[in-house]
Amino acid sequence: NAGVTQTPKFQVLKTGQSMTLQCAQDMNHNSMYWYRQDPGMGLRLIYYSASEGTTDKGEVPNGYNVSRLNKREFSLRLESAAPSQTSVYFCASSGRDRVADTQYFGPGTRLTVL
Amino acid sequence: KNQVEQSPQSLIILEGKNCTLQCNYTVSPFSNLRWYKQDTGRGPVSLTIMTFSENTKSNGRYTATLDADTKQSSLHITASQLSDSASYICVVRGNNRLAFGKGNQVVVIP
Repeated sequence: NAGVTQTPKFQVLKTGQSMTLQCAQDMNHNSMYWYRQDPGMGLRLIYYSASEGTTDKGEVPNGYNVSRLNKREFSLRLESAAPSQTSVYFCASSGRDRVADTQYFGPGTRLTVL
Repeated sequence: KNQVEQSPQSLIILEGKNCTLQCNYTVSPFSNLRWYKQDTGRGPVSLTIMTFSENTKSNGRYTATLDADTKQSSLHITASQLSDSASYICVVRGNNRLAFGKGNQVVVIP
């Protein structure tokens, strides 16, 4: 099992350009998440999807859109990138273990917006 | 105000020594608390999970404690190794939401 995979690993954009970050999981999890991680800020939730066909805003959704393409895939789109969106983006999925839902994170996408 | 505060922000320890990381939270109602380890350039990986009724839980050289009355948790690393160099993130679940700490950055030097 690959777990959670993300593409691309690195990306440089110019202000105003658009791009889509891809995420896929092979653990048959219902829930998937997109986070951003900035120095000194910790992880912040952008959007999540509790199940296929549903998406909800998290703490910092402005400037982003998401698509839950199917149970495996959850993409994050930046329509018009801004320098404030320079960050490391993590996708995660969660499934219930013995005690509670455990989140499994992908390796991250490092995005720089010039 | 952040609902999860971690201290110290960063620390440097000698290989073989022990260290303790602190997590204080205000999340209420409380469901569970997790410690994640995040290696540089990688995503976080769950180390332990603590529920309300648990005081101590170990995972190899990592031991987590929880005091639900004072809303404090600690993560103790015993006999540190170079591979323990990472950020340790405290995550608290409550009200069906997750609150993330900013992490404790640990550097182990030979």
